[in-house]
Amino acid sequence: NAGVTQTPKFQVLKTGQSMTLQCAQDMNHEYMSWYRQDPGMGLRLIHYSVGAGITDQGEVPNGYNVSRSTTEDFPLRLLSAAPSQTSVYFCASRAGTSRNEQFFGPGTRLTVL
Amino acid sequence: SQQGEEDPQALSIQEGENATMNCSYKTSINNLQWYRQNSGRGLVHLILIRSNEREKHSGRLRVTLDTSKKSSSLLITASRAADTASYFCATRHWGDKIIFGKGTRLHILP
Repeated sequence: NAGVTQTPKFQVLKTGQSMTLQCAQDMNHEYMSWYRQDPGMGLRLIHYSVGAGITDQGEVPNGYNVSRSTTEDFPLRLLSAAPSQTSVYFCASRAGTSRNEQFFGPGTRLTVL
Repeated sequence: SQQGEEDPQALSIQEGENATMNCSYKTSINNLQWYRQNSGRGLVHLILIRSNEREKHSGRLRVTLDTSKKSSSLLITASRAADTASYFCATRHWGDKIIFGKGTRLHILP
């Protein structure tokens, strides 16, 4: 199993550009989530999904969209990038509501100029 | 915010010593987990303690939970150089959200 994979590893955007961060898992996990990690702020939950077709907001959802059309994939879309979205983004998955251990991807380092 | 707070923010100890880090949170939880992050990598799950448990062990790790004080501690015994990393507590509140704290940076000195 590849586990949780994220692409790209690095990305530089200009203010106002849009892009999609990809996340995929091959463990048939129901639950997937996106976090951003900033220095001194720990990890903050952006959006999460408890299954295909179901998404919900986390702590810092503004400026980001998600969808979950399949169990495997959970892309994160930045509609109009801002410098405040410069961060490292982590995708995570876990088996289901009764399972708590989260498996993390390697992260995407995003810089918005 | 429901986010937990780890204490201290940074900790340096000699190899072989024990390392203790603490986590406080604000609202009632279903369970609390500890994760480790090596520099530039994703997080790795270490141990979970449920709200009805007071203490849990796993190898050199010992976790305690005091729900009346809304706090937890992680003890790493006989530290090794490989334990150098950031450690995060994560709280699962009633529902599906798992919220992370800001982390403790642990540095093991040779």
